[in-house]
Amino acid sequence: AQSVTQLDSQVPVFEEAPVELRCNYSSSVSVYLFWYVQYPNQGLQLLLKYLSGSTLVKGINGFEAEFNKSQTSFHLRKPSVHISDTAEYFCAVSVSGNNDMRFGAGTRLTVKP
Amino acid sequence: EADIYQTPRYLVIGTGKKITLECSQTMGHDKMYWYQQDPGMELHLIHYSYGVNSTEKGDLSSESTVSRIRTEHFPLTLESARPSHTSQYLCASSEWASGSTYEQYFGPGTRLTVT
Repeated sequence: AQSVTQLDSQVPVFEEAPVELRCNYSSSVSVYLFWYVQYPNQGLQLLLKYLSGSTLVKGINGFEAEFNKSQTSFHLRKPSVHISDTAEYFCAVSVSGNNDMRFGAGTRLTVKP
Repeated sequence: EADIYQTPRYLVIGTGKKITLECSQTMGHDKMYWYQQDPGMELHLIHYSYGVNSTEKGDLSSESTVSRIRTEHFPLTLESARPSHTSQYLCASSEWASGSTYEQYFGPGTRLTVT
């Protein structure tokens, strides 16, 4: 079965600085990869997804992620963060043709002024 | 606008009470899910459904039950609430068809506190 590891539970960063949130997955078959964001007292909202094709995926709010098959990683990046990016970010993986989606434990991004 | 709704958003209830958490979606999705979310931990799947009259238990053992009488509605019931049930409950839905990416759409969640 597939699994997801988010390597940092908390990432503090100053406003306008770049940020990278790390995600590694394990699966013996091809996968779909997702990043979700959760703002306080809200549900999860899809940021971006990798299905196939280009390994660099662009999402909403200026975020992007790169799929690296050899390193089984799907790290999320933003070149310049805003205070409003403060939230919990979840990486998730599902296997092609399977209904099962596995989530990481989340990374809390805190953007400081 | 297609969406997924959960009520109530917050609930504080005493031990032993019966509660039902409501979830409805307007996207016509066949597949629906219930997750339990605790701080600093991954989302744990507790129930899912492929469609009307289909319900399955997820990875995390739960004392709750679910029903799926209508496509759009997937309520979760706790017959006798206990403090260990205190958590955030998230409902989600997705397409279930050949070629689907199974992307899940989430409701805003119900934060349950059992005293």
